This record gives sequence, C-alpha cells and structure tokens, in this order.
Amino acid sequence: GAGVSQSPSNKVTEKGKDVELRCDPISGHTALYWYRQSLGQGLEFLIYFQGNSAPDKSGLPSDRFSAERTGGSVSTLTIQRTQQEDSAVYLCASSYGQGFSGANVLTFGAGSRLTVL
Amino acid sequence: DQQVKQNSPSLSVQEGRISILNCDYTNSMFDYFLWYKKYPAEGPTFLISISSIKDKNEDGRFTVFLNKSAKHLSLHIVPSQPGDSAVYFCAAAATFGNEKLTFGTGTRLTIIP
Repeated sequence: GAGVSQSPSNKVTEKGKDVELRCDPISGHTALYWYRQSLGQGLEFLIYFQGNSAPDKSGLPSDRFSAERTGGSVSTLTIQRTQQEDSAVYLCASSYGQGFSGANVLTFGAGSRLTVL
Repeated sequence: DQQVKQNSPSLSVQEGRISILNCDYTNSMFDYFLWYKKYPAEGPTFLISISSIKDKNEDGRFTVFLNKSAKHLSLHIVPSQPGDSAVYFCAAAATFGNEKLTFGTGTRLTIIP
C-alpha cells in the first residue's frame, strides 16, 4: 500500500484480556518500529525489526509485551493480560533500512488506540 | 531518563509571525536530529532533519538550527500559517549501532489567525 496501515484503529478491552495490534508497513521497507504514546507523553520506543529479526527489544515494558514480524512484512504486537497502564496509542513506523538520512526517514501509521477498562 | 526534552508543552503564535520551537538533548552520542509534525488522529509525519556535521538546514518556511556545544536545536517556521497548528516532536538518533529514534514529549503549536 501507499502508507503504513495499522489495525484496529481503536480497541477497547477489559483488564486481563489479551490484545493483538497489526501493522502493514510500506512495501519494500525492511525496517519496522513500534512506538507508543501514552496520554501527555512523548513517543516511547518499544521494538525495532530489521527483516524478521528484532535486534532491539529494549523498549518492551514487560514480558507481557511481545512482537513478531513475518515475511519481512506484517508485524503483530501482542499484549497479554492487559493492564490499565497499557492504555495508549500504539504507533508503527517503517523505513527502507538501516541508518537515518534525509532519504531514509520513518513513515508512521495512524496508530491503534488501546483503552483498557 | 528523558534524553530528548521539549520543555514547552504549548506555544501560540500569530499568523504571519515566526514560530520557534526548542529542543534539548543530553546524549552526546546523538548525531542526527529530526522534527516530526502530528495532527490529531494521524501518525507523525517527517518535517525536516539535520546531521551533526551541519548547524543549519533550511526547507522552505522551515529551518532547523543545531548548537552542538549547547546540545540544543530549534525549529523556526516563518511565516507561520494556520495549517502549521499541530504537535511538533523533536527526535534524535545515534546513527552508529543504534537504529532507534528517541523522541521528545512534543510541543503543541497553535497559530492564531
């Protein structure tokens, strides 16, 4: 597709339930990132994929969070046993590859807003 | 530990005047800096960037200035237009061995017609 697509756009769940958030990156983009933005906060890095491997998982807040990427394309972020503090907008971004330059910047999706009751 | 700081959560500027958004960083390994703009219910979009080998980069109405000794960068928008009303995020990267962007908390810019 033309842009980064995320689904669902909105998800309301009950505390303790598991949720899956999906990201379809731009075709040909080998790097994929997950960030989240909690209310009043900046964008917090969660995990980075290069192809199907995740060289940097340092931002995942707990072992309830996991992510995978298959076929060098679609990625799924899974949150198990959701807690109220998990409520946030989860943003996915993709780029052509390693390094940053004017020609290689992150393109973000519109995000998935998660509300845990 | 907030490595990228945007100390002004909001800023209001009259249409046609200059908007100046500020950003400070603490990590001396950062060598690439970006500004992103975010409208409500949309993802952030890339606006302008600067490498640490430069102290200024200009793109139309947008100019980013980098002061490495002060670990400070700023985004100037001139003239400001109503469509510039958005949240602006400063981001930084250490381009060797670290592939993630570290973002600030954002500044909400409101342009007053």
